Amino acid sequence: NAGVTQTPKFHILKIGQSMTLQCTQDMNHNYMYWYRQDPGMGLKLIYYSVGAGITDKGEVPNGYNVSRSTTEDFPLRLELAAPSQTSVYFCASKGGGGANVLTFGAGSRLTVL
Amino acid sequence: DQQVKQNSPSLSVQEGRISILNCDYTNSMFDYFLWYKKYPAEGPTFLISISSIKDKNEDGRFTVFLNKSAKHLSLHIVPSQPGDSAVYFCAASPFGGTTDSWGKLQFGAGTQVVVTP
Repeated sequence: NAGVTQTPKFHILKIGQSMTLQCTQDMNHNYMYWYRQDPGMGLKLIYYSVGAGITDKGEVPNGYNVSRSTTEDFPLRLELAAPSQTSVYFCASKGGGGANVLTFGAGSRLTVL
Repeated sequence: DQQVKQNSPSLSVQEGRISILNCDYTNSMFDYFLWYKKYPAEGPTFLISISSIKDKNEDGRFTVFLNKSAKHLSLHIVPSQPGDSAVYFCAASPFGGTTDSWGKLQFGAGTQVVVTP
């Protein structure tokens, strides 16, 4: 039972490069989220999805794009990477019903140099 | 604009004693609160939650208290164990409204707890 799987765990990008962080979940959850955590700060929501084909912006969406073609996968794309995007990125998912409990992946640490 | 604040970045406590973690929030629309625990190189894992219709929720060694008038909640861990050494995040969301908003959590910056033998 894998839960939420993120790849890669670590990556170094050069300024201006692009890359995609992968996220997949095997719990058949409709809701999926991307958060970023900067040092000494709480997690901030980048994008979220309430189901396949439906995505929406969170609190800090600039510089990122997402897609949700399947229930399982929710990739996060960084276009024209900037040093400000150096962060740890967490993908999370949530089932339906009344709980707000998110299941998080282990994170992807991204450095932009 | 930090809507959820954890003003103590770190806490050191002896094994067997009580750990008390504090969290303050500013948005009166928040009515559901969660605590997450995070070990290094892992994602946050859910610990305990409380809705605004309650002022206390208990789960084993963990108890969360909510004071709505003060916009303050706290997490008590009794007794503290070495395995409790981790970063604890307080999070909040508006539980009402559409279900689509329920997972959009506002997080505090976290409190690093170290439990010493």
